[in-house]
Amino acid sequence: GESVGLHLPTLSVQEGDNSIINCAYSNSASDYFIWYKQESGKGPQFIIDIRSNMDKRQGQRVTVLLNKTVKHLSLQIAATQPGDSAVYFCAELPYNDMRFGAGTRLTVKP
Amino acid sequence: DAGVTQSPTHLIKTRGQHVTLRCSPISGHKSVSWYQQVLGQGPQFIFQYYEKEERGRGNFPDRFSARQFPNYSSELNVNALLLGDSALYLCASSLAQGRIGAEAFFGQGTRLTVV
Repeated sequence: GESVGLHLPTLSVQEGDNSIINCAYSNSASDYFIWYKQESGKGPQFIIDIRSNMDKRQGQRVTVLLNKTVKHLSLQIAATQPGDSAVYFCAELPYNDMRFGAGTRLTVKP
Repeated sequence: DAGVTQSPTHLIKTRGQHVTLRCSPISGHKSVSWYQQVLGQGPQFIFQYYEKEERGRGNFPDRFSARQFPNYSSELNVNALLLGDSALYLCASSLAQGRIGAEAFFGQGTRLTVV
């Protein structure tokens, strides 16, 4: 079956550097994508979303890029801070369903 | 404003038992969704309820059931518990039915351990 996946299970970056978290999806029917941040002991927290009619969307310190040609999604975090340490999930939303990837653990080194 | 609240926060059950998990949505939210998150994996969609009716169901066995009450709170029930049901169960609420997961706010989850 089609599923969402991530390229790297862990990512370690230096405080102040930029982080890039990747996600591959394979369901071409998915037209809406969301990035979530999950800290230990907490539920997922919405970061940013993007619809398939867009290639890029920016938020506060975060940018999501969508490449429909290769079915790839990325989350860029600018000037990564210790508080950004968490597990990041991408989720794809084909109609009437929601599928999460396995997640990438981001660790920020001081 | 209170966010999505779930109870209990932790629970230990024995194989074969039944469990009921509870969720109170954000005030004014009418849609509730349930997810199962096994350790080390992303959440998996179980159910969505809107206006007390089931609007979506994921690929889970009939041992899993849910309902939504007139005050929009919800219960998730799991019968004949298996070891593999051990997971973090997440509830999310949203204002309207909409797309599953869209504009949804998650609670902190109930950690269920089946022994």
